[in-house]
Amino acid sequence: GAVVSQHPSWVICKSGTSVKIECRSLDFQATTMFWYRQFPKQSLMLMATSNEGSKATYEQGVEKDKFLINHASLTLSTLTVTSAHPEDSSFYICSARDLKDSHHEQYFGPGTRLTVT
Amino acid sequence: AQSVTQPDIHITVSEGASLELRCNYSYGATPYLFWYVQSPGQGLQLLLKYFSGDTLVQGIKGFEAEFKRSQSSFNLRKPSVHWSDAAEYFCAVGPSAAGNKLTFGGGTRVLVKP
Repeated sequence: GAVVSQHPSWVICKSGTSVKIECRSLDFQATTMFWYRQFPKQSLMLMATSNEGSKATYEQGVEKDKFLINHASLTLSTLTVTSAHPEDSSFYICSARDLKDSHHEQYFGPGTRLTVT
Repeated sequence: AQSVTQPDIHITVSEGASLELRCNYSYGATPYLFWYVQSPGQGLQLLLKYFSGDTLVQGIKGFEAEFKRSQSSFNLRKPSVHWSDAAEYFCAVGPSAAGNKLTFGGGTRVLVKP
């Protein structure tokens, strides 16, 4: 089955620093990846759609200069939280669409828990 | 705009009992509907999906869901719950079978009593 990995699974960083989260499709190619944010005991909120070789499309209210997304290859998208602050602490989940899947189903990664101190 | 409502935040069910999770959606066109399960600290796993055709959809782990257009509902059911079914369940609607821009409901946390 289609597998999506994320690295790291958890990270603690100091306020003001930047942290990069990787999302990889392990056994399929993904032209489109999605980044979600999930607060404790809440639902997932789509942050942005990442398209290979082009700029990401951000949802309303998401600061593109703070959450930098790069989708440089068909198997890797990265989310960089710049100048992180405690309010950025959250669970970040990515998903990827299989290029060869006619239904273009989204496969979700295991998530990355970010804690900003 | 599309939206998804899961009226029940928490549900507690005894092991072996039946389970039904409610999902109501608002969408202007034919919806594509999904149910996902999330174990603590984990990503999401697709349980089942509805695109078209038979309104009763079978999924993994013994789950099924029924699409009722007249009620704008897509409720998830399982006849006999196992302790391993304790998790968070999310209903989602997408504008296409591709699932682009999935909109998630608030989730329902299921607790299973021994």
